[in-house]
Order: sequence, then structure tokens, then C-alpha cells
Amino acid sequence: SYVLTQPPSVSVAPGQTARITCGENNMGSKSVHWYQQKPGQAPVLVVYDDSDRPSGIPERFSGSNSGSTATLTISRVEAGDEADYYCQVWDSSTDHYVFGTGTKVTVL
Amino acid sequence: QITLKESGPTLVKPTQSLTLTCTFSGFSLNTTGVGVDWIRQPPGRALEWLALIYWDDDKRYSPSLKSRLTITKDTSKNQVVLTMTNMDPVDTATYYCAHHGGGYDYFDYWGQGTLVTVSS
Repeated sequence: SYVLTQPPSVSVAPGQTARITCGENNMGSKSVHWYQQKPGQAPVLVVYDDSDRPSGIPERFSGSNSGSTATLTISRVEAGDEADYYCQVWDSSTDHYVFGTGTKVTVL
Repeated sequence: QITLKESGPTLVKPTQSLTLTCTFSGFSLNTTGVGVDWIRQPPGRALEWLALIYWDDDKRYSPSLKSRLTITKDTSKNQVVLTMTNMDPVDTATYYCAHHGGGYDYFDYWGQGTLVTVSS
């Protein structure tokens, strides 16, 4: 079964940059999407198709995907960015969606 | 605007079946390319995709749960129903329904989720 591995946690000081990786073989051939989930809330799409942002998502959120790893970057981190983040892809070989293992971002 | 809302029992006994309904507005499941998915999240754990139904009634299921899941739609009521058989305490989770539009494979609108506990 397809596994998208993310680091369990990332800690970052306010104003600094947080980077969250999502790794599996051959990630560069897939479109990767990212979600932010705050406690007790439904996930919110923050980046789609590797690097596009939905309307209303700050430019501080950006994504990239090359080779074996996709990355969500949060620039100028704010206290309100503290949340769990999940990557997601469509696995065409088995015809189903897969979420990453999730990363908890803590703002120090 | 697009909204989705899940409804169903909050408590289910082991071995029973679970039936959840997703009632949506702001889009039609008659529109080409549109789909509605079910996704769950056990307490403190990661998201897990369960099932998808498309506008044309095409369906997809999680390989690990396929034998236990059935997804159907009622376009006249703007509803999608998920049935999961033989429930177990490990199925305790918040269950979400979500929308994705034509031609893309991400979920741009989510329901608020409904917590289902499996316990005797």
C-alpha cells in the first residue's frame, strides 16, 4: 500500500520559516496537495497541484515538488499557523487517494 | 457557496453497520466531473480516505476497506450515503464528507465532520 511519510513534528519560531516534507518514491510524477487542520476543525486546503494556492490562502504558504519529495513551506510563521498539516495524492496504480502521516507544526 | 454536512449515529455497537449521510448544497452531483468523498480520522491520528462517488455514479473505495463499504447518491436530495458494515472499535473516528470538482483530485470543501464511537 502507498505510504506518504511526513515528519511527525516541526517546531519554528515566529517570523521564521517552516518546511514540511512529504516523501515517497517518484513523487515528482504526482500532483501533491496540502491541508491545514486546527484542533477540532475540518481540514482546509492550503496548496493544490504542488504549488498553487486557493483564494484566501496567504502567500506565505507555498509548495514545491521535485524528485522524491514534496515540500510545504510556511514563511514568516505566525502563531495562527500552529496546526497539523497533511499532504495528499491520487495513487493511479490502485485508483485511490492517499494522505500523508501528518505533521504537527508548533510555533515556539 | 458550497457546504456539506454529515449526519448519522454517534454511537454504534460492534458488528453493527454504520450509515452516514452527507447533505450538500451549492453544487450538483449531476455536473460533469464532480465527486463527493468520505474521509475519516481516528482520534489523534491521521486522515484516511474511504470512498468516492462521481457524478456519473462511478465509485472508488479504499483497497483495505472495500469489502465493508458502499457509497451511493441521491441527486434529487443532494445527498451521498456511506454504509460501513461490521463496525469495530478501531473504526471510532470523525467521519468527513468532502467535495472535489471536475478534473482535479483534491478536496476543496469539507463538512464539519461527525464523530462516531463504536462501543458496546
